[in-house]
Amino acid sequence: KAGVTQTPRYLIKTRGQQVTLSCSPISGHRSVSWYQQTPGQGLQFLFEYFSETQRNKGNFPGRFSGRQFSNSRSEMNVSTLELGDSALYLCASSWSTSGGGNEQFFGPGTRLTVL
Amino acid sequence: GENVEQHPSTLSVQEGDSAVIKCTYSDSASNYFPWYKQELGKGPQLIIDIRSNVGEKKDQRIAVTLNKTAKHFSLHITETQPEDSAVYFCAASMGAGGFKTIFGAGTRLFVKA
Repeated sequence: KAGVTQTPRYLIKTRGQQVTLSCSPISGHRSVSWYQQTPGQGLQFLFEYFSETQRNKGNFPGRFSGRQFSNSRSEMNVSTLELGDSALYLCASSWSTSGGGNEQFFGPGTRLTVL
Repeated sequence: GENVEQHPSTLSVQEGDSAVIKCTYSDSASNYFPWYKQELGKGPQLIIDIRSNVGEKKDQRIAVTLNKTAKHFSLHITETQPEDSAVYFCAASMGAGGFKTIFGAGTRLFVKA
């Protein structure tokens, strides 16, 4: 069974631009969560999607948004990029139906650098 | 808000020794506690997890204990090997109404051969 895949793996953008990252979950998984990982802040929860609906959201500004498609693939978008958005963005999938308490499988991440 | 504290931030052990990493969580609603191992250039990989109705769980050289009253849980790695060197994260998850996992800051484990 293929694992979680994320594209692209590396991305360089300049301030003010926007970016879209993609995540394909493990086949059969319907929950997709996104995390931001930085040396200073660690792993921080961005949001979770289940059946095309955002089910939970972390404490990030509205510049960070996401969506999920009917095949469970998910995208996250960051608009008006800031230097502080430079991070590793991780996607995790789960078979969770009722929410919570189920193991998540992480992808390799997308390394975003904002210049 | 919800918080997970993890100690130590760095741990260096000799090959064959044991390693212990401790975490404390704040939200009593947390009901699922996974541990992840992250190697350089890779995403976190689940190595063991425990649910709030269980006090201890073991998988070969790895064990996790949970004390719900004190709100802390620990990871124990016995007979450490150089390939155990990585960053380890604990996490606490609250299930009601969705899926939200709070991670500890991580412990960088060095196993010296």
